[in-house]
Amino acid sequence: DGGITQSPKYLFRKEGQNVTLSCEQNLNHDAMYWYRQDPGQGLRLIYYSQIVNDFQKGDIAEGYSVSREKKESFPLTVTSAQKNPTAFYLCASSIQGRLLNTEAFFGQGTRLTVV
Amino acid sequence: GESVGLHLPTLSVQEGDNSIINCAYSNSASDYFIWYKQESGKGPQFIIDIRSNMDKRQGQRVTVLLNKTVKHLSLQIAATQPGDSAVYFCAERPQRNYGQNFVFGPGTRLSVLP
Repeated sequence: DGGITQSPKYLFRKEGQNVTLSCEQNLNHDAMYWYRQDPGQGLRLIYYSQIVNDFQKGDIAEGYSVSREKKESFPLTVTSAQKNPTAFYLCASSIQGRLLNTEAFFGQGTRLTVV
Repeated sequence: GESVGLHLPTLSVQEGDNSIINCAYSNSASDYFIWYKQESGKGPQFIIDIRSNMDKRQGQRVTVLLNKTVKHLSLQIAATQPGDSAVYFCAERPQRNYGQNFVFGPGTRLSVLP
């Protein structure tokens, strides 16, 4: 089945460590996104990528980094510079192009906790 | 910046009743809107969408209404069932340069009472 897969589902990070969250999709979508979700808040965009080898900062990119070496993969690294990383992270993908009215498909999320 | 908000953060309804979840959006240039459902610990799932050139769209047990005059979006769920309990987000697509990106609101938690 086609879909978008995030791993791991739960992740624990010590203070000062970098961690990488995986996101893979087999939907042949050009665009991929990373969102952060905090309790009682909506989804906030961290980074997005419209095409391989290209990505752009979203609204809250500080303390995060991404890469897009393959169309199917868009890993997110939470660096030690991110002061409050505990959150639920969601990856999404979509068909690229404003003329296409189509939703973004989401993964099941990764819950990151700093210990 | 642009934002999408909700009038009611929580909503409790009796099983079998109809539910109405409201959303106010701020960007009058937004051209596409989506309602998502998110169950606890899971990613959001698409429910229904509507383009800005429409004012109503119906799906199975769900209807989305768009009032561009007052920048208001609503989701109506008919005959609410226990499985409808979740957080519901509306999302707007502002007319920016980056593709299909959406702006999400904080969500409304729907609780279905037996």
